[in-house]
Amino acid sequence: DIQMTQSPSTLSASVGDRVVISCRASHNIDTWLAWYQQKPGKAPKLLIYKASLLEAEVPSRFSGSGSGTDFTLTINNVQPDDFGTYFCQLYNSDVFIFGQGTSLEVK
Amino acid sequence: QLQMQESGPGLVKPLETLSLVCSVSGGSVASRSHYWGWIRQFPGKGLEWIGNIFYTGITKYNAPLKSRVAISVDTSKNQISLKLTSVTAADTAVYFCARRRSDGGGAFDLWGQGTMVTVSS
Repeated sequence: DIQMTQSPSTLSASVGDRVVISCRASHNIDTWLAWYQQKPGKAPKLLIYKASLLEAEVPSRFSGSGSGTDFTLTINNVQPDDFGTYFCQLYNSDVFIFGQGTSLEVK
Repeated sequence: QLQMQESGPGLVKPLETLSLVCSVSGGSVASRSHYWGWIRQFPGKGLEWIGNIFYTGITKYNAPLKSRVAISVDTSKNQISLKLTSVTAADTAVYFCARRRSDGGGAFDLWGQGTMVTVSS
């Protein structure tokens, strides 16, 4: 079975920092990967799809990269609204698996 | 703008059937460009995909849940439904309906607000 490992589980940052979150799939998934942001009590919000494509109206400080098994989400110049939880999600052979989540906290 | 809203009982007894409805407004579930799915989030915050449906009724389910889950679509009511049988406390979660674009690389681009379901006697 395919698995997804997301790291780190917690990340502390200050406004203006650059942060990187990683996800690793156990099998090659090409670029079938998405990134979401979730705020408390809200549904996840799509940020990036197909590993590197920015969803409409998502700020350009968010970027995604990677293919195959290793992927990263980078946030440049972290803003106050960026603090929350981030999830990756893979799509492979009609299976959808989410990463464990990364909580981005204020340092 | 399309919106999705989940509804259903917030409390279900063990071994009974969980039934939820997702009402779609501002757009049609009978879209060739979209799939409709159910995803749940456990109290510990982990997310689990439950299954997807196309407007023609074609479904795909997460293997561990396949024997207990049924997703259906009602194009006349513009609704997606979820039924999960023989529930236990492990099924306690927030349940989301979500839309997936057929060209979106497997990503869910629009979500309902979610509805909390607790399994308890």
